[in-house]
Amino acid sequence: GEDVEQSLFLSVREGDSSVINCTYTDSSSTYLYWYKQEPGAGLQLLTYIFSNMDMKQDQRLTVLLNKKDKHLSLRIADTQTGDSAIYFCAETTGGFKTIFGAGTRLFVKA
Amino acid sequence: DVKVTQSSRYLVKRTGEKVFLECVQDMDHENMFWYRQDPGLGLRLIYFSYDVKMKEKGDIPEGYSVSREKKERFSLILESASTNQTSMYLCATHGGSEKLFFGSGTQLSVL
Repeated sequence: GEDVEQSLFLSVREGDSSVINCTYTDSSSTYLYWYKQEPGAGLQLLTYIFSNMDMKQDQRLTVLLNKKDKHLSLRIADTQTGDSAIYFCAETTGGFKTIFGAGTRLFVKA
Repeated sequence: DVKVTQSSRYLVKRTGEKVFLECVQDMDHENMFWYRQDPGLGLRLIYFSYDVKMKEKGDIPEGYSVSREKKERFSLILESASTNQTSMYLCATHGGSEKLFFGSGTQLSVL
C-alpha cells in the first residue's frame, strides 16, 4: 500500500544546512510536498515538486526528487532558529488522497 | 489567502460525551478534510467531503461522523467520545490543485 517514511528527529547548528529525507512507495505520485508545522499551529505548505521534475529551488529551500529510488529531500540552507518545526513529507496521486509521513522534528541549536 | 478557521483551539471532554468540532473556510473550496495528528503517526484522514451533503470515509472513520450542510462549513462529530480519541484534529481544504490549506488545529482531550 501507499506509505511515506521519514526520520523523526534532526538536530543542526544555526547557520548549517539541514537535510530532511523522505521515501515514498507510490510510483504514480503526481505531486510531492513539504509542509511545515510550527508549535501550536496547523500545517503550512512550504514547497512542492511535480513528479516530472528533479529539483526545485526556492530561496533557502532546495527540493531534490529521485524517482528511481522514490526518495525526496528538503535542504534548508543557513538554517535559523525560526526554522525549528516539524516538517512533513506528503504525496498525492491526484484526487482527494494525500499521504503524509510521520513528520521530522527539526531542532536548531543556537 | 485561504483562511481555514477551527472553532476551538483546546477542548476537554468526558468519556461518553458527544463532541462537535467545527471548521469554516472562506475560499469557496469544494473539498474539505478532517485529519487527526498523533505523535509518530503523522496525519491520518478521518473523513472528507467533495460537495455539500457529500462525504467519504477516510482511513480511520470509526467512532466519527461528519456533516456538510453548507459549502463553507465541515463538522466532525464524535458520537460518544473515548479516551483513544484524545488527539490533535486538523481541518483542511483545497480547491482542486491538491495543495492543502490547514486550520490551526483543535487539541482534544477526552478524560
